[in-house]
Amino acid sequence: AQSVTQPDIHITVSEGASLELRCNYSYGATPYLFWYVQSPGQGLQLLLKYFSGDTLVQGIKGFEAEFKRSQSSFNLRKPSVHWSDAAEYFCAVGVREYGNKLVFGAGTILRVKS
Amino acid sequence: DAMVIQNPRYQVTQFGKPVTLSCSQTLNHNVMYWYQQKSSQAPKLLFHYYDKDFNNEADTPDNFQSRRPNTSFCFLDIRSPGLGDAAMYLCATSRGGTGNTEAFFGQGTRLTVV
Repeated sequence: AQSVTQPDIHITVSEGASLELRCNYSYGATPYLFWYVQSPGQGLQLLLKYFSGDTLVQGIKGFEAEFKRSQSSFNLRKPSVHWSDAAEYFCAVGVREYGNKLVFGAGTILRVKS
Repeated sequence: DAMVIQNPRYQVTQFGKPVTLSCSQTLNHNVMYWYQQKSSQAPKLLFHYYDKDFNNEADTPDNFQSRRPNTSFCFLDIRSPGLGDAAMYLCATSRGGTGNTEAFFGQGTRLTVV
């Protein structure tokens, strides 16, 4: 069965510091992978996605993620965090049937300290 | 320009009183999804429509139903809400097929059961 693991429930970083959020997936085929961000009380906004090709993908708001098949990972990174990045981040794998339903990880809450 | 619109943003209903949440889209996507997200948890797929074909997740309670009268609209009906059904309900859409499609989410409806 498909699954996504985000091992860090909470992460706190200082403003201006670099960030890496971890994501590991389990899926029987080549995965479609996504990172979404959710601010409190809001819906999900897509940060970036991987379907195929270059394993380093760029997203919005200065985020990037690297797909590593050998490690079944899709970690999210940002070189310099801004206070507005404080939110919850979800990694997801797209299950390729009937239009790619998503299986989400449990999420990582990012806190940014000034 | 909102592309997936959920109404209302906040809904309060009484224990056992039927409630309907609505979702509309301007993307003309084939697939519409309903996810349930309880506090501090990942979104969990309840069901989805691929065009007119309804696909229920195996563990979705019978208390939850859905209707899709046309391409643009999809409704979530909770026949007898219990306290455990209090959650954020997220609607999403995507293009059909098994290709590299992404899901677009609405802002969600926060359901409170009193």
